[in-house]
Amino acid sequence: QKEVEQNSGPLSVPEGAIASLNCTYSDRVSQSFFWYRQYSGKSPELIMSIYSNGDKEDGRFTAQLNKASQYVSLLIRDSQPSDSATYLCAVRGTGGFKTIFGAGTRLFVKA
Amino acid sequence: DVKVTQSSRYLVKRTGEKVFLECVQDMDHENMFWYRQDPGLGLRLIYFSYDVKMKEKGDIPEGYSVSREKKERFSLILESASTNQTSMYLCASSFPGLAGGQNIQYFGAGTRLSVL
Repeated sequence: QKEVEQNSGPLSVPEGAIASLNCTYSDRVSQSFFWYRQYSGKSPELIMSIYSNGDKEDGRFTAQLNKASQYVSLLIRDSQPSDSATYLCAVRGTGGFKTIFGAGTRLFVKA
Repeated sequence: DVKVTQSSRYLVKRTGEKVFLECVQDMDHENMFWYRQDPGLGLRLIYFSYDVKMKEKGDIPEGYSVSREKKERFSLILESASTNQTSMYLCASSFPGLAGGQNIQYFGAGTRLSVL
């Protein structure tokens, strides 16, 4: 079992729809959770971080964390073609320095 | 803005060459990381450093070494490049600690290395 799993996609949604990206992780004591966006040929950039159960909203983005189910998701409301990218889920445990990245989900937003 | 600068965007090297990839950050971050990214495999950690002259192996350290002589600079060295090291290499840095915005990693633009 991979430590951080994501559906590789591609996930295709029409412009204006809600895109839902999901991630599961295996380390039950993980404490910090991140979503990075990576455009083709570019480096990852952080778009959301979440540390406690529940929802965290930032503009059109909402991160949801459920530690009991070891599940973290990212919702993108009113999806735009400029949201088309690969979204990486990243998880960090309580000890050490490592952050584990998922392989990413490719999102396409059709105009 | 945090800036992580990688010395080269594209490199082409021959099998057996010694290759140096340089990374510099300007945010006084303690932690620095080297990853490689391959299609379908995501980001895989090669090495990381949590202080000057300190280094720890990541998940795939074989064939690589690192150097951190100054806090702002972290170098990745391919001692004898091989074709299976053709990849995108990403450097990142972060503050240490667990709370709040710490551990957020800031990435450089990446170096696409081709080994022929």
